[in-house]
Amino acid sequence: NAGVTQTPKFQVLKTGQSMTLQCAQDMNHEYMSWYRQDPGMGLRLIHYSVGAGITDQGEVPNGYNVSRSTTEDFPLRLLSAAPSQTSVYFCASSYSGSAGANVLTFGAGSRLTVL
Amino acid sequence: AQSVTQLGSHVSVSEGALVLLRCNYSSSVPPYLFWYVQYPNQGLQLLLKYTTGATLVKGINGFEAEFKKSETSFHLTKPSAHMSDAAEYFCAVRGANFGNEKLTFGTGTRLTIIP
Repeated sequence: NAGVTQTPKFQVLKTGQSMTLQCAQDMNHEYMSWYRQDPGMGLRLIHYSVGAGITDQGEVPNGYNVSRSTTEDFPLRLLSAAPSQTSVYFCASSYSGSAGANVLTFGAGSRLTVL
Repeated sequence: AQSVTQLGSHVSVSEGALVLLRCNYSSSVPPYLFWYVQYPNQGLQLLLKYTTGATLVKGINGFEAEFKKSETSFHLTKPSAHMSDAAEYFCAVRGANFGNEKLTFGTGTRLTIIP
């Protein structure tokens, strides 16, 4: 089992460029989510999805776009990168509904720098 | 609505001493509570969780936490610190109702172990 796979691990962008962070899981998890981690601020939820075709906004959605066309994939798009989006991004997934199974499995993270 | 407050962004303890990391939560519905650990340059791993039942929960690596509803707390403890415990620890909360999968994290506590 690969778990949650994020690519790329590192990326440097210039202000205004767009890019997509990829996230794939092979555990048949219904729930997938994206967080950003910044020093002193913990993890903040950007977007999440409870199943294919269903997405919703989290705490800090501005400047990001997501889609969920399959159960396995949940890409995060930066539409026009800004220095404030410099961060470490984590994708996480879990089974949905039952709280006992609702343990997030995290990817290894993607470190993004916007110049 | 839900939130988590972790008291102390940095905690240092001597090897062999008691580890106590504090977490207080706020939730408009009965909560499910989690502690995650993050080692340098890695994603987050689950340490332990409270959903229902026994309020004292045991996790991996000798850690445990006690859910105290009256104090809205879920503090993490370990009787004897080991050098390998040096990491960042995150407390998280979600609502205990079906369909509420969103996990809200605290800002984290970095634990340093003094030899």
